[in-house]
Amino acid sequence: DAGITQSPRHKVTETGTPVTLRCHQTENHRYMYWYRQDPGHGLRLIHYSYGVKDTDKGEVSDGYSVSRSKTEDFLLTLESATSSQTSVYFCAITAGQHNYGYTFGSGTRLTVV
Amino acid sequence: SQQGEEDPQALSIQEGENATMNCSYKTSINNLQWYRQNSGRGLVHLILIRSNEREKHSGRLRVTLDTSKKSSSLLITASRAADTASYFCATATPSSSASKIIFGSGTRLSIRP
Repeated sequence: DAGITQSPRHKVTETGTPVTLRCHQTENHRYMYWYRQDPGHGLRLIHYSYGVKDTDKGEVSDGYSVSRSKTEDFLLTLESATSSQTSVYFCAITAGQHNYGYTFGSGTRLTVV
Repeated sequence: SQQGEEDPQALSIQEGENATMNCSYKTSINNLQWYRQNSGRGLVHLILIRSNEREKHSGRLRVTLDTSKKSSSLLITASRAADTASYFCATATPSSSASKIIFGSGTRLSIRP
């Protein structure tokens, strides 16, 4: 999607290894989000950021950490990947705190074996 | 737990017919948003309706919001094959730090030629 890219698009990793997913935006938006999407669960919020170095937990944050050292980049790290973290991960950005729609990236399909 | 729940989970209609999807939620909201997701892609923002609005239109889309019943509906008129996708409602709840939207599980819409 225009203005937001996720990398990698696909990744297979082994249980117990650390994994970092990257979200990069060119819109200069303040707010960035990480979601995971699993069958039957819709999208669930993992972590979000409301500015450089300002982050907070979402509803499924256990096992994940994030960092935002620059406006344009929001990193999601799985400290020690588990099979339950096999999922599709989406990054999203929005222009303001209230009443703005989100723009989503194309997603990262992560498989933990 | 998820804030929004869509109904039905799946819907199959003939091309040219209207499609109606419903969303119910549990707590007070700032706004409610609808998104479309084509298979294997990210989510695309369709429309946002604020808590003080009752109806909103965008092209062939009509969204209603009933805050007393904590429910919303998305109507797609004169459906086309390209409307085949999953549709998600998402509710934005009041927050001091950032807008956070919580997604429902989605409705899978299939348009038969």
